[in-house]
Amino acid sequence: SQKIEQNSEALNIQEGKTATLTCNYTNYSPAYLQWYRQDPGRGPVFLLLIRENEKEKRKERLKVTFDTTLKQSLFHITASQPADSATYLCALDRDRGSTLGRLYFGRGTQLTVWP
Amino acid sequence: DAMVIQNPRYQVTQFGKPVTLSCSQTLNHNVMYWYQQKSSQAPKLLFHYYDKDFNNEADTPDNFQSRRPNTSFCFLDIRSPGLGDAAMYLCATSRDRGSDTQYFGPGTRLTVL
Repeated sequence: SQKIEQNSEALNIQEGKTATLTCNYTNYSPAYLQWYRQDPGRGPVFLLLIRENEKEKRKERLKVTFDTTLKQSLFHITASQPADSATYLCALDRDRGSTLGRLYFGRGTQLTVWP
Repeated sequence: DAMVIQNPRYQVTQFGKPVTLSCSQTLNHNVMYWYQQKSSQAPKLLFHYYDKDFNNEADTPDNFQSRRPNTSFCFLDIRSPGLGDAAMYLCATSRDRGSDTQYFGPGTRLTVL
């Protein structure tokens, strides 16, 4: 069955450093992958989408890579700030080749950026 | 601002007492989703509507039902809540299926006593 793993449940880094979060998947080949941010007690908020034919996507201080050979996506936050502290979820399309648009979510990595 | 609204934000019910959670959207999106998220777990898709077309997940318990009376509203009915149904329930929308971004509401935290 399909499986999504996000590295470590928690990641603590110092302000100004680059945070790197990992999403690994097995047993399927998604056509795209999305990253969401979730704050405590709130719904996830979309950040970035990357397709299988794209190696890298950037948005301001965020960068996502997608390696379909390694079955892995990396999510980077450069010049991290305490306000970046949240849980980050990766989500992959479940229905490759179909238009259903359902997502499998990972459990998330809780990022804490300390001053 | 266009958004996804969930009411109530917190719901307490008794074991076995039916409960309904509501979701409304001003985005005029075709697709509405219901997810269950337990503490430190991944959001789990329960079902979704593509317009009026209902799509149930194979592992969603029969205890969970949904209604979408119009484009803007969607309801989640839990017929006989058990202690294991305590969770955050998230409603999301997307303009269309495929790779569209999903827009989430703030969630309803359900407590079962």
